[in-house]
Amino acid sequence: SQTIHQWPATLVQPVGSPLSLECTVEGTSNPNLYWYRQAAGRGLQLLFYSVGIGQISSEVPQNLSASRPQDRQFILSSKKLLLSDSGFYLCAWNLMAAGGEKLFFGSGTQLSVL
Amino acid sequence: GEDVEQSLFLSVREGDSSVINCTYTDSSSTYLYWYKQEPGAGLQLLTYIFSNMDMKQDQRLTVLLNKKDKHLSLRIADTQTGDSAIYFCAERDPGNTPLVFGKGTRLSVIA
Repeated sequence: SQTIHQWPATLVQPVGSPLSLECTVEGTSNPNLYWYRQAAGRGLQLLFYSVGIGQISSEVPQNLSASRPQDRQFILSSKKLLLSDSGFYLCAWNLMAAGGEKLFFGSGTQLSVL
Repeated sequence: GEDVEQSLFLSVREGDSSVINCTYTDSSSTYLYWYKQEPGAGLQLLTYIFSNMDMKQDQRLTVLLNKKDKHLSLRIADTQTGDSAIYFCAERDPGNTPLVFGKGTRLSVIA
């Protein structure tokens, strides 16, 4: 069966420090991978998605970047965090099957930038 | 671009039915989804409906789709305290593009 792992679960970082959040998927190959951010009162914002190794689409201009060095690994990074980067970050992968696309989410990383 | 709108809050009494509404703008949507997010956790797919259907029932959940009005609703029968969560509506168009999510409706169930 497929599983998605996301870590760390919580992170407190000072402004100006770097960031690296990692997400890995097991039990599937060539998934579409996604990074979302959920900020209070702003719903779910798509940050990046990837349809293959080295292929990254950015949905919003920002202080963050994403990389996909391996088929089932998706990394969210920043060189210098801003206060506005605080939020709940969710990784997801999709499964295309009869009956449509299904999106499966990791358990999230709560990032507080102080 | 596509847009999905939901009311932000809903409060119901335990045992009553909950109805969460969603409107969307993309008339070419192929699938529409309801996701549930419990506190501090990721989203879980609850149910979905194909755009050529107008109703889907799954135990306590009933999804109604009015394609003409681009209106989707999720009815939860006999709402329980464990149903308290944020419910996200999402839609997908025919291309290989990411789902578009609404901002989520926070359902509070009062015992």
